[in-house]
Amino acid sequence: EDQVTQSPEALRLQEGESSSLNCSYTVSGLRGLFWYRQDPGKGPEFLFTLYSAGEEKEKERLKATLTKKESFLHITAPKPEDSATYLCAVSGYSSASKIIFGSGTRLSIRP
Amino acid sequence: NAGVTQTPKFQVLKTGQSMTLQCAQDMNHEYMSWYRQDPGMGLRLIHYSVGAGITDQGEVPNGYNVSRSTTEDFPLRLLSAAPSQTSVYFCASSYEGSRTGELFFGEGSRLTVL
Repeated sequence: EDQVTQSPEALRLQEGESSSLNCSYTVSGLRGLFWYRQDPGKGPEFLFTLYSAGEEKEKERLKATLTKKESFLHITAPKPEDSATYLCAVSGYSSASKIIFGSGTRLSIRP
Repeated sequence: NAGVTQTPKFQVLKTGQSMTLQCAQDMNHEYMSWYRQDPGMGLRLIHYSVGAGITDQGEVPNGYNVSRSTTEDFPLRLLSAAPSQTSVYFCASSYEGSRTGELFFGEGSRLTVL
């Protein structure tokens, strides 16, 4: 059974203070690992897809990386508008077309 | 181009009542899915569909039914509502589904069961 564990549950940073969010996964044959951003009261918004270990994707102050067991979302010099919940999800070749999400990391950036 | 539209946005039910959450998309996506989101538990997959006439169960399917008679619509039926089904429900659609993981989400339907 595919599983996704995210840590920490919540993270408070000062504006400009870089950090990383962790996503550990268990899946039989990784098809893809996905990162989403969710603002309060809204549906999640797609950020990245990573397919294989060593792959990296960047978007503004965000960079996602992937190893065989985990993914990191690095946030460089964050701004208050980066405050949101960040969700990680996976799809495995053995689990048909299911996309399974973790519980998310709630990120708060103080000005 | 409205994207993914969910109705109603808010609903209060009594235990034992039935209802249908509606989901429609205008992007001609084959893949559609329903998730529920509870505090501290992230998104949990209820049911999904890879095309009209094809549906499958997710992680938490009990108490819910789905059907997919058209590409555009994917309604979620609660057969006999229970307080444990109090949650925020999200519908999502995708052109390539789990291959790219790029889901487009609706704004959610907040359901309270008393």
